[in-house]
Amino acid sequence: AQSVSQHNHHVILSEAASLELGCNYSYGGTVNLFWYVQYPGQHLQLLLKYFSGDPLVKGIKGFEAEFIKSKFSFNLRKPSVQWSDTAEYFCAVNTHGNNRLAFGKGNQVVVIP
Amino acid sequence: EAQVTQNPRYLITVTGKKLTVTCSQNMNHEYMSWYRQDPGLGLRQIYYSMNVEVTDKGDVPEGYKVSRKEKRNFPLILESPSPNQTSLYFCASSSSEGINEQYFGPGTRLTVT
Repeated sequence: AQSVSQHNHHVILSEAASLELGCNYSYGGTVNLFWYVQYPGQHLQLLLKYFSGDPLVKGIKGFEAEFIKSKFSFNLRKPSVQWSDTAEYFCAVNTHGNNRLAFGKGNQVVVIP
Repeated sequence: EAQVTQNPRYLITVTGKKLTVTCSQNMNHEYMSWYRQDPGLGLRQIYYSMNVEVTDKGDVPEGYKVSRKEKRNFPLILESPSPNQTSLYFCASSSSEGINEQYFGPGTRLTVT
């Protein structure tokens, strides 16, 4: 079964700092990859996704992620965070031919003004 | 407005009292799914449905039932709720076959005493 690992569950940083959240998955086949964000008290929203093509994906609100197939990774980055980026971030993976979506345990990010 | 709605948003109930959480989407999506979110565990898929009358188990289906009699609705049924089903529940939908961007509902916070 596919599994998704996210490390450093709690991240605290100051505004303007750079953010990188790691995501590793266990499946070796073709995958679809997602990052979702959950702002306090809200439902999940899609930040960005990768299906194929350019492994560097740009999403909303200045976020980007890079798919590195050899490392089974899909790390999320933002060069300069804002207080409004305080949220929980989830990586999710779907393997081709499988109708299920596996989520990581999430990263709770707190940005201090 | 494209959206996924869930009702109720908050529910406190007692052990053993059957309950249903409704989920409805207005985007004509084929795929619908239920997740539960627990601290430190991220989102775990309970059940999903590829289309009307087609449902399948996710990672944590025990204690839950679903039905898909209409394309827009995907209710989650707890026949005999127990305290370990206290959680935050999200319904989601997406278009086309397989997994695409999922649209999430606002969540239902369930407490079973």
